[in-house]
Amino acid sequence: AQSVTQLGSHVSVSEGALVLLRCNYSSSVPPYLFWYVQYPNQGLQLLLKYTTGATLVKGINGFEAEFKKSETSFHLTKPSAHMSDAAEYFCAVTLWGNNRLAFGKGNQVVVIP
Amino acid sequence: DTGVSQNPRHKITKRGQNVTFRCDPISEHNRLYWYRQTLGQGPEFLTYFQNEAQLEKSRLLSDRFSAERPKGSFSTLEIQRTEQGDSAMYLCASSLGLAEYNEQFFGPGTRLTVL
Repeated sequence: AQSVTQLGSHVSVSEGALVLLRCNYSSSVPPYLFWYVQYPNQGLQLLLKYTTGATLVKGINGFEAEFKKSETSFHLTKPSAHMSDAAEYFCAVTLWGNNRLAFGKGNQVVVIP
Repeated sequence: DTGVSQNPRHKITKRGQNVTFRCDPISEHNRLYWYRQTLGQGPEFLTYFQNEAQLEKSRLLSDRFSAERPKGSFSTLEIQRTEQGDSAMYLCASSLGLAEYNEQFFGPGTRLTVL
């Protein structure tokens, strides 16, 4: 069965600093990988996804992630944090033929002025 | 495109009561999913529909949980004989197409509190 691991439930970052959220997956077959963001009182919103092809994926709001098969990772980055980036971020995985997303525990990002 | 809507947004009930939640997906989305999210955890898959057919329900937490999607439009999730451990946020999502990697659009959720 597929799964993802996100370490560090709370992440504090200074405004203007690099945002780095780590995600490692476990899968015996090539995965499809996603990052979702959840703002208070709103539904989860897709930031970006990896299916096949280019391993560096660019998403909305300046975020990007790189699929590294050798490291079984899909870390999310943003070069410069904005106050509006304060939210909870979830990494998720699914597989070919499997229609359910398996989510990590999430990272609550706090942006310090 | 008005997005996925869920009603009610909040539900408080007493242990042992039955509750029903409704999800209205994005129009013409053929797939509909239910997830549960507890405090400090990511969403946990419960079940999904393709049109009106419930294609996977093995992850429903017990036989007290059931879901329907009559006519392939809105869906309901019912919990019978609620327990305090059922307190959680129940999320609905919908997607268009058949590929596993198609974006799932999530609603704002229904927060259930069982007293």
